[in-house]
Amino acid sequence: DAGITQSPRHKVTETGTPVTLRCHQTENHRYMYWYRQDPGHGLRLIHYSYGVKDTDKGEVSDGYSVSRSKTEDFLLTLESATSSQTSVYFCAIWNPDRRYEQYFGPGTRLTVT
Amino acid sequence: EDQVTQSPEALRLQEGESSSLNCSYTVSGLRGLFWYRQDPGKGPEFLFTLYSAGEEKEKERLKATLTKKESFLHITAPKPEDSATYLCAVQAHRDDKIIFGKGTRLHILP
Repeated sequence: DAGITQSPRHKVTETGTPVTLRCHQTENHRYMYWYRQDPGHGLRLIHYSYGVKDTDKGEVSDGYSVSRSKTEDFLLTLESATSSQTSVYFCAIWNPDRRYEQYFGPGTRLTVT
Repeated sequence: EDQVTQSPEALRLQEGESSSLNCSYTVSGLRGLFWYRQDPGKGPEFLFTLYSAGEEKEKERLKATLTKKESFLHITAPKPEDSATYLCAVQAHRDDKIIFGKGTRLHILP
């Protein structure tokens, strides 16, 4: 158990509203990742972070922004939610110091109506 | 561009019927290839990391192998509890991205 929590676990929001998802970890890992998972597409990388205030884009970053002001928290923001952003969002940590293992949170199910 | 292709998309086996799942990859400078198991409604669960061609790792009924172009996840005498989606991912040396394939849905019939 890598001590990863995500909040909220479920959210329904309307098109055009801003939404922020939170990923929290308790083990001081440097690397954190945000993915979305959709039927037929698998897991796609949105953004990732390699340290406080250090982030980079993934495969599907348009419409998303991230922030990491503390090691333990990685926030994903949808500035103006669209129906195409309805998905399950997973946060993950990666530990290169421990056999390169990657651990995932329980996920957030987001529905944009 | 890094790519990961998994096959088959879905596989149904009888309990005890061994088989293999395939993960073909294209990446410039492989740092690591990862295998995960995902149960419905849950996050992926880490299984293995493979680093170089020829490497093998085992865990219970699962054995992962790696060549320069693909990886196999061999399942020996599977049980119904092995039913899940199995995911493969790769990471290159040049950055810290971890890119996934679409997965193989495995169903083991009792």
